[in-house]
Amino acid sequence: EVQLVESGGGLVQPGGSLRLSCAASGFTFSSYDMHWVRQATGKGLEWVSAIGTAGDTYYPGSVKGRFTISRENAKNSLYLQMNSLRAGDTAVYYCARVIMPTGAFDIWGQGTMVTVSS
Amino acid sequence: EIVLTQSPGTLSLSPGERATLSCRASQSVSSSYLAWYQQKPGQAPRLLIYGASSRATGIPDRFSGSGSGTDFTLTISRLEPEDFAVYYCQQYGSSRTFGQGTKLEIK
Repeated sequence: EVQLVESGGGLVQPGGSLRLSCAASGFTFSSYDMHWVRQATGKGLEWVSAIGTAGDTYYPGSVKGRFTISRENAKNSLYLQMNSLRAGDTAVYYCARVIMPTGAFDIWGQGTMVTVSS
Repeated sequence: EIVLTQSPGTLSLSPGERATLSCRASQSVSSSYLAWYQQKPGQAPRLLIYGASSRATGIPDRFSGSGSGTDFTLTISRLEPEDFAVYYCQQYGSSRTFGQGTKLEIK
């Protein structure tokens, strides 16, 4: 079964750091671009970061310089290192697989909750 | 950044009726890189449509997508009880952005 499972969420103080993980199974992880998408409670979806099969990375302005996406193909794992966290980063964070060549997100994890609060 | 505006914000319909959801882009979406997702409470989004009009694997044929350029539509031909959810459009031609969502509720 094709599956993505996130972990690493929790409560962190403003200015703190957190590292999220996403474990992939059931497909050849190294062959797919991967992304992180977040959703604040009761709000819409926001794209957070992307990493290509060659390790190229992309970010929106809202997290650029604070978040770092990475992957470890040998462990079928995706990561999101989040630094300088703000209250506005509070959300459920999903990892998602991109279906090529279309570019849409065809597989999503169940999400992990990140709460930034003092 | 391409801004996607979905309308209406909330759509109240009955099972068996036809639903038409709109997604308008602030600038042309290249090569119809437009997708639609369904999200139910407490669940991750589910891909319905990609490339503006292609159904994802396992999606019933009552769901259809159309449009190009800046105007896109998701149509559900006959609503089933399980179709009541929030729907998001997304463009992935220039970076990636989502619309704010349309809530489809039971009338």
